[in-house]
Amino acid sequence: ILNVEQSPQSLHVQEGDSTNFTCSFPSSNFYALHWYRWETAKSPEALFVMTLNGDEKKKGRISATLNTKEGYSYLYIKGSQPEDSATYLCAFNSGNTPLVFGKGTRLSVIA
Amino acid sequence: DSGVTQTPKHLITATGQRVTLRCSPRSGDLSVYWYQQSLDQGLQFLIQYYNGEERAKGNILERFSAQQFPDLHSELNLSSLELGDSALYFCASSEAGGGSTDTQYFGPGTRLTVL
Repeated sequence: ILNVEQSPQSLHVQEGDSTNFTCSFPSSNFYALHWYRWETAKSPEALFVMTLNGDEKKKGRISATLNTKEGYSYLYIKGSQPEDSATYLCAFNSGNTPLVFGKGTRLSVIA
Repeated sequence: DSGVTQTPKHLITATGQRVTLRCSPRSGDLSVYWYQQSLDQGLQFLIQYYNGEERAKGNILERFSAQQFPDLHSELNLSSLELGDSALYFCASSEAGGGSTDTQYFGPGTRLTVL
């Protein structure tokens, strides 16, 4: 059974703070790692798809890095804003298998 | 708005009943996925259809079944409902057959409450 772990489970930061959280996944049979952003009362929205070891992706103030050899990815948010408050999900893919999602990190940004 | 629609938004029913959840994928997407989100659980993959055919199956209960129709919309049927089936059910779609880099676009979900 593939296991995807995300930490921390929840996080409260002040507006303007930078923050990061972790997604851990099996380092064998790696094909892709997906990050999603899920705002309350909305549906999960794709942020990044990462495939190569050392990959770094950026979208505005949000960026992500990938280490496939040790099986982790970091998501960074620079200068957090209240609108960044959401649950951030990562999902692991090991080939032609369904995505396995972590339970998410719930971020609250306090103004 | 992802372009994926799901109906109904909310459903309240009793144990032992049967319900049908409906999903319309984004225009042009051939794959439809169904997920269950229960309290304290991550998104649990149930089943995937690609162009009308079952492509992958997760931990879907025998009481649950799904299909994808020629117009590519999909229905998830849940029968002999139990209290533990109360959850948020998401549908997602992707362009292709679910390759490792396929982005999935999620619908707004159906909140099922079993009393």
